[in-house]
Amino acid sequence: LAKTTQPISMDSYEGQEVNITCSHNNIATNDYITWYQQFPSQGPRFIIQGYKTKVTNEVASLFIPADRKSSTLSLPRVSLSDTAVYYCLVGPGNTPLVFGKGTRLSVIA
Amino acid sequence: DGGITQSPKYLFRKEGQNVTLSCEQNLNHDAMYWYRQDPGQGLRLIYYSQIVNDFQKGDIAEGYSVSREKKESFPLTVTSAQKNPTAFYLCASRNHETEAFFGQGTRLTVV
Repeated sequence: LAKTTQPISMDSYEGQEVNITCSHNNIATNDYITWYQQFPSQGPRFIIQGYKTKVTNEVASLFIPADRKSSTLSLPRVSLSDTAVYYCLVGPGNTPLVFGKGTRLSVIA
Repeated sequence: DGGITQSPKYLFRKEGQNVTLSCEQNLNHDAMYWYRQDPGQGLRLIYYSQIVNDFQKGDIAEGYSVSREKKESFPLTVTSAQKNPTAFYLCASRNHETEAFFGQGTRLTVV
């Protein structure tokens, strides 16, 4: 499974756009890129998934360059409630999800 | 409502005892997973099952056991052989290439 690298932590002010980049240099052809969000003492929650180019849903956008060796999760206009840990996962759809340590995002008023 | 349910939410165990954590899903998912999370850390895979009556060890299976007799249920037993069982345990389920759904977790404390 592809190894992922993300920043350990990030800080942002409310109302700003936050971009969290994940590196996955050895991504395989059949791997998808998926992001999850986790609040303290809760299970992770799916945010977005993509294979290439750009994916957008009601909460986030995912940008994937042509070489797919990295991806960027973009959260528009964050609020205090977006304070959480964000995990980037890379793998095919039929294997267990492998979580790293994630990125701890702190949103400041 | 469809979802995945873990019980109990909090569990206390005396040293030397086995305890079983429940995980039930009504999402008709084939695959189910158990993870352990320690404070400030990511999730580590304990066991997973891709189909009924079959399961595989994850990265930290020692001291744990599971069964998958029904599609809906994937209980995890923390045995006395697990030397440091105090942790937050998370169960998840999904079908291939779809998002995973997680339960709310069970916080196990050894007293």
